[in-house]
Amino acid sequence: EVVLTQSPGTLSLSPGERATLSCRASQSIISRYLAWYQQKPGQAPRLLIYGATSRATGIPDRFTGSGSGTDFTLTISRLEPEDFTVYYCQHYDSSARFTFGPGTKVDVK
Amino acid sequence: EVLLLESGGGLVQPGGSLRLSCAASGFTFSSYAIGWVRQAPGKGLEWVSSISGSGGRTNYADSVKGRFTISRDNFRSMLELEMNSLRGEDTAVYYCATLARLLGDSYFDYWGQGTPVAVSS
Repeated sequence: EVVLTQSPGTLSLSPGERATLSCRASQSIISRYLAWYQQKPGQAPRLLIYGATSRATGIPDRFTGSGSGTDFTLTISRLEPEDFTVYYCQHYDSSARFTFGPGTKVDVK
Repeated sequence: EVLLLESGGGLVQPGGSLRLSCAASGFTFSSYAIGWVRQAPGKGLEWVSSISGSGGRTNYADSVKGRFTISRDNFRSMLELEMNSLRGEDTAVYYCATLARLLGDSYFDYWGQGTPVAVSS
């Protein structure tokens, strides 16, 4: 079973700054099976990125996904006030099972 | 517009049972796999179970296998989760979410707002 580790646990930044969130897999994974979600307090998660690099419908282009093998990154080029929240990566494996990372919280410095 | 509306959550004693439902609209329900994801209070996301569009294939997390049963009624566009032998660690908000057909049902694209389940005596 693939284990996903996200770092840092909390990222403290200011609006306008660049955020770099890491998702590391315990073994090499197929890139197209890596997704990212954003979750605001009291709300359901929202799909941001699928296939490691493809932005979901309606997601601003300041969100970029990259990576391959075991190391994946979600980059937010310039933080807007609404971006300060929690982000999760997710993997799908060949047994049709899903794993989420523990999340990274982006908060205001 | 895709809408997913969960219901059936509530307070149940350890060892008890509960049935969750998810009413879907705005898309051809039978064409999409769908699943349940839960979130314990203050914790991260945990996949629970998923089911293919036809209902012929189901998968479960190890933590619920043998206790939970996922099913769907494509005529009524409904997803259900029968939960038995409930434990305190099953306390969570339960979300239903559709699986995108692009890239082989590998990610969740639309989510409901969730229904809370509390297991406590």
